Amino acid sequence: DGGITQSPKYLFRKEGQNVTLSCEQNLNHDAMYWYRQDPGQGLRLIYYSQIVNDFQKGDIAEGYSVSREKKESFPLTVTSAQKNPTAFYLCASSPGLAGINQETQYFGPGTRLLVL
Amino acid sequence: AQSVAQPEDQVNVAEGNPLTVKCTYSVSGNPYLFWYVQYPNRGLQFLLKYITGDNLVKGSYGFEAEFNKSQTSFHLKKPSALVSDSALYFCAVRDRGDYQLIWGAGTKLIIKP
Repeated sequence: DGGITQSPKYLFRKEGQNVTLSCEQNLNHDAMYWYRQDPGQGLRLIYYSQIVNDFQKGDIAEGYSVSREKKESFPLTVTSAQKNPTAFYLCASSPGLAGINQETQYFGPGTRLLVL
Repeated sequence: AQSVAQPEDQVNVAEGNPLTVKCTYSVSGNPYLFWYVQYPNRGLQFLLKYITGDNLVKGSYGFEAEFNKSQTSFHLKKPSALVSDSALYFCAVRDRGDYQLIWGAGTKLIIKP
């Protein structure tokens, strides 16, 4: 899982509550990503960020928000607007988005979010 | 539309036998192709990638994959399976002109002693 940490490992959300998942990397990577993984499905992109103070929506951004105030950190907030948040959330980083050697993504260990 | 297909939900192989995990893709341009492995309740680990050049790519843990442009496939292979290879394997593809990885649904590989 080299250089990317996610916390907590498990997170419980109550109805109507916002929760924030942490992702930190010490790989000096420019790009960071958040994915959602549901059983029997591939990974789906929630948000990604190419550079500090910039981020873009992925395929399933509704009900989620992010910030990128530091290069090392890309926290994900699951808001109360996300009606089906139970999933395994994976954070990843890559050296950059462009260029032949910039595209390999490296993943953190994941956070499992459960609804109470 | 770009897509990745892993046609087998599960592959069962006896230890010591060769294994193949299949992946086919559909992209509009020339692809970058990847294989990742996921152990239970863990993040994904990068195995190998095809960018350009030799169609046979060698990666971690003795795995290799062959890029076949005419069949739009990128099957993952290993000559001799180990019980410790049991995991969930994901194929992913990216169009060179795009930023986003498109993921297959994953194939569960079970290696029996």
